[in-house]
Amino acid sequence: QSALTQPPSASGSPGQSVTISCTGTSSDVGRYDYVYWYQQHPGKAPKLLIYEVNKRPSGVPGRFSGSKSGNTASLTVSGLQADDEADYYCSSYAGSNNPLFGGGTKLTVL
Amino acid sequence: EVHLVESGGGLVQPGGSLRLSCSASGFTFDGYSMHWVRQAPGKGLEYISGINYNGHTTYYADSVRGRFAISRDNSRNTLYLQMSSLRPEDTAVFYCAKSYYYGEAAPFDSWGQGALVTVSS
Repeated sequence: QSALTQPPSASGSPGQSVTISCTGTSSDVGRYDYVYWYQQHPGKAPKLLIYEVNKRPSGVPGRFSGSKSGNTASLTVSGLQADDEADYYCSSYAGSNNPLFGGGTKLTVL
Repeated sequence: EVHLVESGGGLVQPGGSLRLSCSASGFTFDGYSMHWVRQAPGKGLEYISGINYNGHTTYYADSVRGRFAISRDNSRNTLYLQMSSLRPEDTAVFYCAKSYYYGEAAPFDSWGQGALVTVSS
């Protein structure tokens, strides 16, 4: 059982928006603004999409955005594209240098 | 451009040992913490271990503490993971990853392609 809870799947049609949730506790997601999102295409290494809840590294399109409310963080993908079909993992700092990961959400572009 | 290349993966019997290496280039290696993250077949990501920029501080997940040892050679720009007392449940792709910035809460902005470790008799 993963420390952070994500829905196993999500889907949307091209051009639509989809939001993926990530639920933790008051000891991790709820306590720190150190929530991250990674994208992983099949057979590839993860890629950092969002850091510190809502910041994007250079090169990540603005279609990807992050937010947080209480113990739940969210990733929104707007203007869905075929290449967005991938697994998405949330992660949160929880103290003691041992980051937690969610179980992952498989995003399908219909 | 940052480049991380893992090597040393393979098939090992339960109870055996294996050492993974991660060769780094494209950035100032001795300026960043480095980490190992694994992914069992068809499963999610699991943080395994980390080491600070000078190798003086290390971190381990409970699942590997006492069995795995992380180290680095800054003169060779290489990260290592010595794995012993391996179990079938250690079977996974092992990724090395670089911290995005200084601080223990930093995310991982660069990842290697992964090394497959299979523990089976």
